[in-house]
Amino acid sequence: DAKTTQPPSMDCAEGRAANLPCNHSTISGNEYVYWYRQIHSQGPQYIIHGLKNNETNEMASLIITEDRKSSTLILPHATLRDTAVYYCIVRDNQGGKLIFGQGTELSVKP
Amino acid sequence: EAQVTQNPRYLITVTGKKLTVTCSQNMNHEYMSWYRQDPGLGLRQIYYSMNVEVTDKGDVPEGYKVSRKEKRNFPLILESPSPNQTSLYFCASSRGTTRDTQYFGPGTRLTVL
Repeated sequence: DAKTTQPPSMDCAEGRAANLPCNHSTISGNEYVYWYRQIHSQGPQYIIHGLKNNETNEMASLIITEDRKSSTLILPHATLRDTAVYYCIVRDNQGGKLIFGQGTELSVKP
Repeated sequence: EAQVTQNPRYLITVTGKKLTVTCSQNMNHEYMSWYRQDPGLGLRQIYYSMNVEVTDKGDVPEGYKVSRKEKRNFPLILESPSPNQTSLYFCASSRGTTRDTQYFGPGTRLTVL
């Protein structure tokens, strides 16, 4: 079963920040939070991941709450090419699998 | 270029005709995995491999086989495909497990008639 809950869809204006929320209230202490995105039916693409601290890379920022029960992915300046399904995932400690939920379909509009 | 490759990308076959989908990675990753993606069900893990000669079942292994004779290759074998295996398949690899990024291949769209 998916360990994360995300809104099914969101809209964002081009050039604005896109803030995608995720709840992972059952996350265990050593499980990482990962964000991937999937454009059309291409292979999922890694965006960012974190354990406790906030993280930033060239694609996005990840804000994790202090209790680790939720996080937010921030795309600082969304473009039309950021239109995709975004998955918030916790990675299983045993089998290493990514437990995908339904994701958030982000539509970036001109 | 670091990548995961899959072949074929598209395949239409008939029930019962054995097929193999190949997966290869050039990143010297130890961990490899197969997923299938179906509408409304998301991505589900079929099999995974922690290292050469080590494979284990994921969530939906029925009807599939895998092998890991070399580090770079992780083929998915359907001995007797059935229509319910019509799906989009992804291979993925990572250096390790819990804290390492998984890199996905481009996908194989399989139709079983």
